[in-house]
Amino acid sequence: KAGVTQTPRYLIKTRGQQVTLSCSPISGHRSVSWYQQTPGQGLQFLFEYFSETQRNKGNFPGRFSGRQFSNSRSEMNVSTLELGDSALYLCASSSKTGERTDTQYFGPGTRLTVL
Amino acid sequence: SQQGEEDPQALSIQEGENATMNCSYKTSINNLQWYRQNSGRGLVHLILIRSNEREKHSGRLRVTLDTSKKSSSLLITASRAADTASYFCAVKMMDSSYKLIFGSGTRLLVRP
Repeated sequence: KAGVTQTPRYLIKTRGQQVTLSCSPISGHRSVSWYQQTPGQGLQFLFEYFSETQRNKGNFPGRFSGRQFSNSRSEMNVSTLELGDSALYLCASSSKTGERTDTQYFGPGTRLTVL
Repeated sequence: SQQGEEDPQALSIQEGENATMNCSYKTSINNLQWYRQNSGRGLVHLILIRSNEREKHSGRLRVTLDTSKKSSSLLITASRAADTASYFCAVKMMDSSYKLIFGSGTRLLVRP
């Protein structure tokens, strides 16, 4: 069974640009969550989608947005990039049962560098 | 803000020794999970312990959970150089989402 895939793996952008990151969950998983990891703030929750609906959102500015498609693939978008958005962005998917105790499986991440 | 606080922040041991990492959190949880991360790569799920469980084993891993103290520990027995990584605890709250709140992590170095 293929794991969670994220594309691209590495990205370099300049301040003010926007970026779109993609995540394909494990087949059959309906929940996709996004996290940002930085050396200073650690791992922080961005948002979670379940069956195309955003169920929860972390404490990030409106420049960070996301969506989920009917095939459960998800994208997140960051507009008007700032230097502080440089981070490893991780996507995680959870199993199809919808049980709250389901394990989350993480992808390899997208390393975003903002210059 | 992070729920889980871990200690120590860094741990260096000899191969074959045991490694213990601790995690504390602030509010009621549904479950607590431990993850491993190698050199800024993706997170690998190690073990999940539910709030009504006190101890769980998986191979060389042993996790305990004390909900009265709001704390958990991860024990890695007979460590190997390949165990060198950062270890994170993550708590899932009592709501319906899959949101995890991560601790700051423990960097483990296992010397050959």
